[in-house]
Order: sequence, then C-alpha cells, then structure tokens
Amino acid sequence: DAKTTQPTSMDCAEGRAANLPCNHSTISGNEYVYWYRQIHSQGPQYIIHGLKNNETNEMASLIITEDRKSSTLILPHATLRDTAVYYCIVRGDAGNNRKLIWGLGTSLAVNP
Amino acid sequence: NAGVTQTPKFQVLKTGQSMTLQCAQDMNHNSMYWYRQDPGMGLRLIYYSASEGTTDKGEVPNGYNVSRLNKREFSLRLESAAPSQTSVYFCASSGQGYEQFFGPGTRLTVL
Repeated sequence: DAKTTQPTSMDCAEGRAANLPCNHSTISGNEYVYWYRQIHSQGPQYIIHGLKNNETNEMASLIITEDRKSSTLILPHATLRDTAVYYCIVRGDAGNNRKLIWGLGTSLAVNP
Repeated sequence: NAGVTQTPKFQVLKTGQSMTLQCAQDMNHNSMYWYRQDPGMGLRLIYYSASEGTTDKGEVPNGYNVSRLNKREFSLRLESAAPSQTSVYFCASSGQGYEQFFGPGTRLTVL
C-alpha cells in the first residue's frame, strides 16, 4: 500500500472552508484514496473516498489531482464540531483485502 | 441498529493477567478488524477477519489472539497482559461497501 504524507496540524476559522492536503506520490493505479476523521478519541468515522474523479457527499468534497499523486479534502463550511484528526489513507481493493494502514493524520482546529 | 459495540469500555489489568475484549456488529458485515491506538499515534491493525471462519495477522499481532465466533462477533484475547499493551482498542467492521464502521473503543491500562 502506498504511503501518505499530511501536515501535522492546521487551523481554520469557523464558517470558512477547510482544505486538508495529502501527498501520495507512490499511489498505484488501482489504489483508492480514503479519508476518515477521529473526534476526541472516539472511533474513527468514514468521510469520503475516490479513485480518479473528484467526489462530493454531504460531509465533504475530495479533489484528486490528474496524476493522482496528491489530493485535498474540503470541508466547505467548517464548524467547531469538525475539530478532529483527519486521516488520509491509500488502499487497494483487491479481493477481500480491506486492510487500512493509518498514518498520524492532520489535527484540524476550527476556531470561533 | 447499534452498529459496532465493544465491551468493556474501560479495563485495568495487572501484568500477567488475561482478558478478552468483545466486539459485535449488527450490520451483517463479512469483515471485522481489531486495531490499537497508542497516544498521539494512528491506528495499527492487530488482526482482521475477512469472513466468518477466517482470521489473519495484521501489523502488530504479537501477544494477542482472536476468535471469529460467528458472523456478528469478533473477540480479542490477551493471554498474559504486559504494560506495552496499554492502549485504546478499536473494533471495526465492513461490508461490500468501502467504509469501515468503528466501535467506541476499549481503554485498557496494564500496570
């Protein structure tokens, strides 16, 4: 599985967009990009995933560069409840192998 | 629909004691996982079960055993607890979709 690199911490003003970058320069053609977040030591929560195209759901948008070597998670209107550690994970989806390899993530602080 | 449940929520053990962490899911998922998370770290996979009746080692299996009792339940056993096993333990499950669903965690301290 490819390795990811994320900034250790970021700040964002409440109501503004939070843009969290992730570098995955060794990603393979069949590997997906996943984003999870963990709020205050709770169990992690799935946010979004993508392969090539940009994706959007009710929580966030995922922008993947054309060469797939990096991506950005966008929280369009950050709230205080979005303060969490955000994990970017790259994983293949072959067969029943659903293991996720977790890095240290980005600690996002949303400030009032 | 409770999702993924874990028991106990907290546990304190003495070195050498044994215990079993319980996990159950009610989403009819095939795959289940056990992770540990040490302070300031990401999650590390201990064991996983791709389907009922199968289990495989993850990154850090030493000192642990698992049992996939049935499709719903996946237990993690510490035979002889060590202080290095002090951690937060998360169970997760996944179905045909792409996301893993996590339980609330068990906070274990080994003295």
